[in-house]
Amino acid sequence: DQQVKQNSPSLSVQEGRISILNCDYTNSMFDYFLWYKKYPAEGPTFLISISSIKDKNEDGRFTVFLNKSAKHLSLHIVPSQPGDSAVYFCAASAGQTGANNLFFGTGTRLTVIP
Amino acid sequence: DAGITQSPRHKVTETGTPVTLRCHQTENHRYMYWYRQDPGHGLRLIHYSYGVKDTDKGEVSDGYSVSRSKTEDFLLTLESATSSQTSVYFCAISESGGGYGYTFGSGTRLTVV
Repeated sequence: DQQVKQNSPSLSVQEGRISILNCDYTNSMFDYFLWYKKYPAEGPTFLISISSIKDKNEDGRFTVFLNKSAKHLSLHIVPSQPGDSAVYFCAASAGQTGANNLFFGTGTRLTVIP
Repeated sequence: DAGITQSPRHKVTETGTPVTLRCHQTENHRYMYWYRQDPGHGLRLIHYSYGVKDTDKGEVSDGYSVSRSKTEDFLLTLESATSSQTSVYFCAISESGGGYGYTFGSGTRLTVV
């Protein structure tokens, strides 16, 4: 049963425009959310995270928004660049419960068109 | 990634044979994890370790065993490989656990024929 869902398998965006990647979760015990970026033949690399006590976190061109009531988070990339083309995974954990697992979504493949 | 290596990078094996994948870290992190990545499922936790000789099961542990005899090495063994275990396997390390600060290796692509 998928506790973290990414309903859009792919997204194409023009260079310079905004990319918005969405993620929904079902477990109300999740208290920490992350986005990972993955290039082919490489492992996922950490991009940005947000704690459940916040509703926004920003790091350069990347911003993550968290809506706890809707159990929804999104990643905004502005402006999008061709090097951002990759698969993006949303992940969530219930770290404060002592659980030791990151639950991942199925990923969204972002293509930034030059 | 720097500090974590997986071997082999690619392996083809026959159904019914045992297979061992190795994860090696140089970061001295306490926590180590094995995930598998499959289309339509994302990454799913197989087993993890919270110290030398301390391991626990993840959500898809059936058919897999692990061992950690040293801080730096975490081995994943498929006791008797099946075609359903064809996948890409990722090792991850973390200093604090709890879903924080994971660093992933580059993965091992395993094909069971």
